[in-house]
Amino acid sequence: GDSVTQMEGPVTLSEEAFLTINCTYTATGYPSLFWYVQYPGEGLQLLLKATKADDKGSNKGFEATYRKETTSFHLEKGSVQVSDSAVYFCALIAGGTSYGKLTFGQGTILTVHP
Amino acid sequence: EPEVTQTPSHQVTQMGQEVILRCVPISNHLYFYWYRQILGQKVEFLVSFYNNEISEKSEIFDDQFSVERPDGSNFTLKIRSTKLEDSAMYFCASSDVVSGTTTGELFFGEGSRLTVL
Repeated sequence: GDSVTQMEGPVTLSEEAFLTINCTYTATGYPSLFWYVQYPGEGLQLLLKATKADDKGSNKGFEATYRKETTSFHLEKGSVQVSDSAVYFCALIAGGTSYGKLTFGQGTILTVHP
Repeated sequence: EPEVTQTPSHQVTQMGQEVILRCVPISNHLYFYWYRQILGQKVEFLVSFYNNEISEKSEIFDDQFSVERPDGSNFTLKIRSTKLEDSAMYFCASSDVVSGTTTGELFFGEGSRLTVL
């Protein structure tokens, strides 16, 4: 079945450090890929997405590129801020007609210190 | 900005009791979902709902679970006889329809934490 694997956390960084959170997936067909973020006390929010190979999703300084050859969708940010502290989830929707059925990774807790 | 709201934020119940978790999706959305996250585990899909019927459900969504849209605004998840392993955070989500076979972005609520004792 479909699955998503994220790097183990938690990740602790200093402000302005470079961030990478690795994500790899297994899926049949051509999935759409997503990063969701959950800030403390809030629901899951879509951070960025990519729907086909070589697409780059970007938002709020975060980027991720859909790499079909390595089945990866790693999240990067060049300079993190304290306000980026949150839980980050990589997810996919399988190709075809799986309406809104997201398959999530286990989540990575990011803590950014001043 | 429109948002998905869920109640209660936290519910504690005894094993075997019935629980109803409530959600108010974004008003013009047509697809509704429930997901859950057991502490320390992945967020898991439970069920999707469209046009007053279940579109898809996971193997977790057994006969103990049911969903309903009793009026034009609420979307509920009922667990008939709770078990200890039902303790989790339950997330409601909604989305619009982009085309006949795809949905738009899912908007999630803040979650309802269920604790079964």
